[in-house]
Amino acid sequence: DIVMTQSPDSLTVSLGERTTINCKSSQSVLYSSNKKNYLAWYQQKPGQPPKLLIYWASTRGSGVPDRFSGSGSGTDFTLTISSLQAEDVAVYYCQQYYDTPYTFGQGTKLEIK
Amino acid sequence: QVQLVQSGAEVKRPGASVKVSCETSGYTFTDYYMHWVRQAPGQGLEWMGWINPKNGGTTYAQFFQGRVTMTRDTSISTVYMELSSLRSEDTAMYYCARAWIAAAVGFDPWGQGTLVTVSS
Repeated sequence: DIVMTQSPDSLTVSLGERTTINCKSSQSVLYSSNKKNYLAWYQQKPGQPPKLLIYWASTRGSGVPDRFSGSGSGTDFTLTISSLQAEDVAVYYCQQYYDTPYTFGQGTKLEIK
Repeated sequence: QVQLVQSGAEVKRPGASVKVSCETSGYTFTDYYMHWVRQAPGQGLEWMGWINPKNGGTTYAQFFQGRVTMTRDTSISTVYMELSSLRSEDTAMYYCARAWIAAAVGFDPWGQGTLVTVSS
């Protein structure tokens, strides 16, 4: 199985600050035939199901604010929030959908300072 | 708009089975896989498997092999996930989540979740 490891486990950030969350996969999730990374980021607010933020490592989902961006390739990926808003308080998960079982990182809890 | 509406909360005894439904609307049912993901209280996300509504084909996570069955009813655009031989560790929120068959673009959207509690 592909193991997904996120860092940090939690972070506390001030409103308006830039935030980065890292995700590392135990093997490459770059699909050679189309050069796409099969890596997604999800946001889960308390009491809600996860919401897709980013797919193919860097493509924003429908309606996702442009302060959210994804980068990376192969085994190392980053989710960046350019200017933290109060509504961004949530747990963030990365997921590989390159190979079954489709595995998730352990989650990063983001709080406001 | 696209909607995935799951069945209500369940309380089951150890050893019993549970069947959770996910009723879909707002899109072509057979154009999207349906995945199932569970989340134990206060824990992370665990992928269980998927079903192809077009032909009923399934892929299950090895961890659940032999205990999980995913089915669909195309006449009512609904998918089902049945988990048998329940134990206390199966207490979790169970989510269905859609994924486009034509391109791998992640899971979107997710159902609201069904809480399954296993307790004697």
